[in-house]
Amino acid sequence: DVKVTQSSRYLVKRTGEKVFLECVQDMDHENMFWYRQDPGLGLRLIYFSYDVKMKEKGDIPEGYSVSREKKERFSLILESASTNQTSMYLCASSSPGQGFFQPQHFGDGTRLSIL
Amino acid sequence: RKEVEQDPGPFNVPEGATVAFNCTYSNSASQSFFWYRQDCRKEPKLLMSVYSSGNEDGRFTAQLNRASQYISLLIRDSKLSDSATYLCVVGNAGNNRKLIWGLGTSLAVNP
Repeated sequence: DVKVTQSSRYLVKRTGEKVFLECVQDMDHENMFWYRQDPGLGLRLIYFSYDVKMKEKGDIPEGYSVSREKKERFSLILESASTNQTSMYLCASSSPGQGFFQPQHFGDGTRLSIL
Repeated sequence: RKEVEQDPGPFNVPEGATVAFNCTYSNSASQSFFWYRQDCRKEPKLLMSVYSSGNEDGRFTAQLNRASQYISLLIRDSKLSDSATYLCVVGNAGNNRKLIWGLGTSLAVNP
């Protein structure tokens, strides 16, 4: 079974803080993704990576950056947290082949509150 | 028009009922199709991929209609544990390769 592990289930931070969300997968997947999910807006892609040190912007990259130094780890960074970044953050990975068209497997999610 | 559209529901059905959801997509070049289920405050989990010929997994049947650009999910003999939100997901070809997520259809199976 694919295991995607996110570092925290719940996180509370203050406005202006730099926030790190970590994600690790154990299936040697090339592709990794960061989404946020908000009521009424569904899943929105923030960033994705298809290889070590590679990254591409998703639909809503503003205010975020990512790091992929090792294949199994994909980090999401909120450079200066703001209240509108309060959300559920979901990390996912998928196997190569057709890449983005393989099903994605998710971690448990991190509920982040910015006060 | 949204790229992937689902009826948000909620669908309220009794145990043992058969229920069907449809999902329409706008991009005729879409190549991959999936159904995920998501329980309240949990992560989405892959329910099944949807193949051109249709496919079945136990009580669940998925169909693809390329001509009308929709996919469907049929659940037979509904269980209480089927209560969840069902997300339709479409993979698009071309330069903007990514999965497009529907907002989900809420299902409540009642005793």
